[in-house]
Amino acid sequence: EDQVTQSPEALRLQEGESSSLNCSYTVSGLRGLFWYRQDPGKGPEFLFTLYSAGEEKEKERLKATLTKKESFLHITAPKPEDSATYLCAVQAAGGRMNRDDKIIFGKGTRLHILP
Amino acid sequence: DTEVTQTPKHLVMGMTNKKSLKCEQHMGHRAMYWYKQKAKKPPELMFVYSYEKLSINESVPSRFSPECPNSSLLNLHLHALQPEDSALYLCASSTGLLNQPQHFGDGTRLSIL
Repeated sequence: EDQVTQSPEALRLQEGESSSLNCSYTVSGLRGLFWYRQDPGKGPEFLFTLYSAGEEKEKERLKATLTKKESFLHITAPKPEDSATYLCAVQAAGGRMNRDDKIIFGKGTRLHILP
Repeated sequence: DTEVTQTPKHLVMGMTNKKSLKCEQHMGHRAMYWYKQKAKKPPELMFVYSYEKLSINESVPSRFSPECPNSSLLNLHLHALQPEDSALYLCASSTGLLNQPQHFGDGTRLSIL
């Protein structure tokens, strides 16, 4: 069964304390892995897409990496404004046609950065 | 500011009411989505429209009825909802091409009395 698991569920860090969020997946065929940030009462905001193992993407204090089993979102020297829920989503191949693909979201990691 | 606009932002309705949620995007995207999100849970896919045709219906109760009048608009018609239907309803769009990310609106917060 296709599955996406994020850890930890919640993480509290001091401002400037770097850390990593994990997204592990078990899918029949990976078409793409997406990271989103969601603030309370808002919709998810797209951050990165990763397609193949070894790929890395960076944006400001965030860096996303991908292996064949998991993805990491590294946060370097975070600031209080980085506090949010970070969601990982996987597009899993459902068949020969794109319309059979599935989008599976993980439950998210709630990140809180203390000033 | 998000490029996917949802209205209204908040909606309170009784179980016998009929209302509609609206979503609009002007990015030229050809796939549009409805999600339901409960507090501290991930979004749950409800419907997918691809090139204005319904391509995925994730076994959603018939009290939810989607409509895609054109490539920029997506509606969700609501009728005889239950209290457990209270949630944040998110609309998203994507180019429709393989592996492209979805862009979300800020949602409609729906409360059923």
